[in-house]
Amino acid sequence: QSVLTQPPSVSAAPGQKVTISCSGSSSNIGNNYVSWYQQLPGTAPKLLIYDNNKRPSGIPDRFSGSKSGTSATLGITGLQTGDEADYYCGTWDSSLSSAKVFGGGTKLTVL
Amino acid sequence: QVQLVESGGGLVKPGGSLRLSCAVSGFTFSDYYMSWIRQAPGKGLEWVSYISSSSSTIYYTDSVKGRFTISRDNAKNSLYLQMNSLRAEDTAVYYCARDRGHMDVWGQGTTVTVS
Repeated sequence: QSVLTQPPSVSAAPGQKVTISCSGSSSNIGNNYVSWYQQLPGTAPKLLIYDNNKRPSGIPDRFSGSKSGTSATLGITGLQTGDEADYYCGTWDSSLSSAKVFGGGTKLTVL
Repeated sequence: QVQLVESGGGLVKPGGSLRLSCAVSGFTFSDYYMSWIRQAPGKGLEWVSYISSSSSTIYYTDSVKGRFTISRDNAKNSLYLQMNSLRAEDTAVYYCARDRGHMDVWGQGTTVTVS
């Protein structure tokens, strides 16, 4: 069971907007930056969002991130079939058990 | 271009050992922290270990402490993961990644099967 909680799946139609939540605690999200990763089928993960809401160069502004308290959210607008992927949140954790943690992942289906 | 290439994966019996390598190019390796992350078949990402640029700071996830050792050779632009006492639950694709607090560059992964 992951320290960070994400919904197992979300879906929406092409062109629509979707949000993916990531819930944690004060030992992780509450006091650290959150990053988001996209993993297309059969490929390595790719950084989408870092420091809660920053996009690396080359990531379209259809992707956005936000954080409030001990939760973070990834937003994707103008959904495309190519956005079908698994999405993971990640952050540091100051508890004794682990230094870095990921959410369990959310499968996005573009209907 | 910036590139990370893992190698060293394979099939090993329970209790056996493997050494993974990650060859880095396209950036000044010695300036960056690095991490290993793994993904069991059909499962999510699990962070495994982290090493600072000078090797002075190292962390491991609990399940590999005492069995895995992360190291780096800045002169060879290479990151390593020595894995001993391997268990079936260590079966996964292992990725190396450049770690800037977030993992901004990932390798393609190398597969470790313990059976």
